Amino acid sequence: NAGVTQTPKFQVLKTGQSMTLQCAQDMNHNSMYWYRQDPGMGLRLIYYSASEGTTDKGEVPNGYNVSRLNKREFSLRLESAAPSQTSVYFCASSAVTPGTAYYGYTFGSGTRLTVV
Amino acid sequence: GEDVEQSLFLSVREGDSSVINCTYTDSSSTYLYWYKQEPGAGLQLLTYIFSNMDMKQDQRLTVLLNKKDKHLSLRIADTQTGDSAIYFCAESFQTGANNLFFGTGTRLTVIP
Repeated sequence: NAGVTQTPKFQVLKTGQSMTLQCAQDMNHNSMYWYRQDPGMGLRLIYYSASEGTTDKGEVPNGYNVSRLNKREFSLRLESAAPSQTSVYFCASSAVTPGTAYYGYTFGSGTRLTVV
Repeated sequence: GEDVEQSLFLSVREGDSSVINCTYTDSSSTYLYWYKQEPGAGLQLLTYIFSNMDMKQDQRLTVLLNKKDKHLSLRIADTQTGDSAIYFCAESFQTGANNLFFGTGTRLTVIP
């Protein structure tokens, strides 16, 4: 099925460990995004990639790095995990229509990360 | 960033209408969206409205936009238990960074 695939679905890390969250889309979308979701705070943008070869910081980038490996894949790396990074992480992609501001995102099913 | 606010919780009885409200601060938004998140899943686009429209209807869903008051609402007619979910409003802009700004989400509980 076409869409956005995230791996893993669940992960428990110890403080200080590192890991990479993977995201791939097969819809030929130019733009990809990483959000985190915390109770009562909605979705907050971590990093985004407007097109292949570019990445930019979002609202909450500290403690994270990203790589736009190719048009399909956009990974999120936690170099040294902290309990404050316990959250649900969502990847999304979008086909931005030139000349408009329409961003119909397609979301992955999320990665539930717990840092102990 | 832009402020998009929603009430956190709403409960309605099955068969009644639900109205989920959203307020935003930046009047230059171009599109406004409603997303639905079911338990354990990602967000699913329900509907969207262009900023020069006042209303959009799609089956049981009605979106109302009041640009003067910067207020967006989603009405769900004949609410069903399957409508229980978290609903997010979001806005996008024609200039600036390429992303959506989301509200905090409203958890809708439908009581049988």
